[in-house]
Amino acid sequence: GESVGLHLPTLSVQEGDNSIINCAYSNSASDYFIWYKQESGKGPQFIIDIRSNMDKRQGQRVTVLLNKTVKHLSLQIAATQPGDSAVYFCAENTGSSNTGKLIFGQGTTLQVKP
Amino acid sequence: DGGITQSPKYLFRKEGQNVTLSCEQNLNHDAMYWYRQDPGQGLRLIYYSQIVNDFQKGDIAEGYSVSREKKESFPLTVTSAQKNPTAFYLCASSISSRVGYTFGSGTRLTVV
Repeated sequence: GESVGLHLPTLSVQEGDNSIINCAYSNSASDYFIWYKQESGKGPQFIIDIRSNMDKRQGQRVTVLLNKTVKHLSLQIAATQPGDSAVYFCAENTGSSNTGKLIFGQGTTLQVKP
Repeated sequence: DGGITQSPKYLFRKEGQNVTLSCEQNLNHDAMYWYRQDPGQGLRLIYYSQIVNDFQKGDIAEGYSVSREKKESFPLTVTSAQKNPTAFYLCASSISSRVGYTFGSGTRLTVV
């Protein structure tokens, strides 16, 4: 069945280092992927998205990589800052569905050590 | 400023009570969604609506009800049939089915 999962529940990094958060998806029909950041007690915020016709997309300090062969998505954060501490969710939308429903992973908690 | 507003931020419900969570957006988005989030878990879809006067059940609709009488508004009622309603509830909207969502700031519901 459809599922989106994250490999690690918690990731701890030193301030200034690069962070890599991983996500596996199982539906090969998924053609749109999004990363969200959720700070404690707040709603998720959009970070970056990527469509299946791309394998890499860059934003400000963030890069999303998509490997359709192994159904893997990753979020790279450059020069991680204390303000990056949050839970990060990946989400997928299957191209076969026109409902707009996103399927969310369980989330990875990113802890930034000063 | 355009956005999506949820109220109240905190809500307390007594056993057997129905409570309604408000969600309003001024983004002119057609689609709206309700998610439930429990500690250490991802987001689970309760209900969604792609157009006014139409809505569909999500994965965990039992014990919940919604209405979509206006494009801007998608209230969620947590009924007494929902046996474990304590959770963080998130409302979202999107302009179409092929882009990401904009989320509200959430309502934390607690049964007392």
